[in-house]
Amino acid sequence: DTGVSQDPRHKITKRGQNVTFRCDPISEHNRLYWYRQTLGQGPEFLTYFQNEAQLEKSRLLSDRFSAERPKGSFSTLEIQRTEQGDSAMYLCASSHGGRSNEQYFGPGTRLTVT
Amino acid sequence: GESVGLHLPTLSVQEGDNSIINCAYSNSASDYFIWYKQESGKGPQFIIDIRSNMDKRQGQRVTVLLNKTVKHLSLQIAATQPGDSAVYFCAEIYNTDKLIFGTGTRLQVFP
Repeated sequence: DTGVSQDPRHKITKRGQNVTFRCDPISEHNRLYWYRQTLGQGPEFLTYFQNEAQLEKSRLLSDRFSAERPKGSFSTLEIQRTEQGDSAMYLCASSHGGRSNEQYFGPGTRLTVT
Repeated sequence: GESVGLHLPTLSVQEGDNSIINCAYSNSASDYFIWYKQESGKGPQFIIDIRSNMDKRQGQRVTVLLNKTVKHLSLQIAATQPGDSAVYFCAEIYNTDKLIFGTGTRLQVFP
């Protein structure tokens, strides 16, 4: 257990529905990252926060995706109007700002869109 | 749990032998290179990293080698144990601190 928690661990939803995932980072970490992983592939970067500021978003993050970290602690990732192609593992990681080479990952949320 | 890396390159080793997992990276400007271990149904677990100005770093039972000339990274695991069975990913960081992951390798340890 790295100390990063994610909820839910599994989510099955129908196409067109909205889903929201939560990540609680290690408490003293000011950086929080979201990645997406499909079977057989390495994780792909989606976005990251330093405290409450969202500093970068990947082109993978379409306008149906939004992430927030309102108080600089936990973060949420929302997907609106889900599509089957959104089915993946959504991973959250956290790090100290000065040590982003040491990112600690949570267990992930497995999303299945039917 | 679910299976990670269904169609990945696989390295099979006997328990007690040493394992060497290789990775080619793309960006010569990367600052750090990192190895992660991922077990089925779990998130990636940090193993060891190496800064770009180094060529070798040792941890507990693991050694990472960096060859910048040919953009090659390797992870050596000494005395491989059944608990080492997992998918291993190399990753690099440059510029904005996001991890860029390479193709994973499945390590299978048999008795």
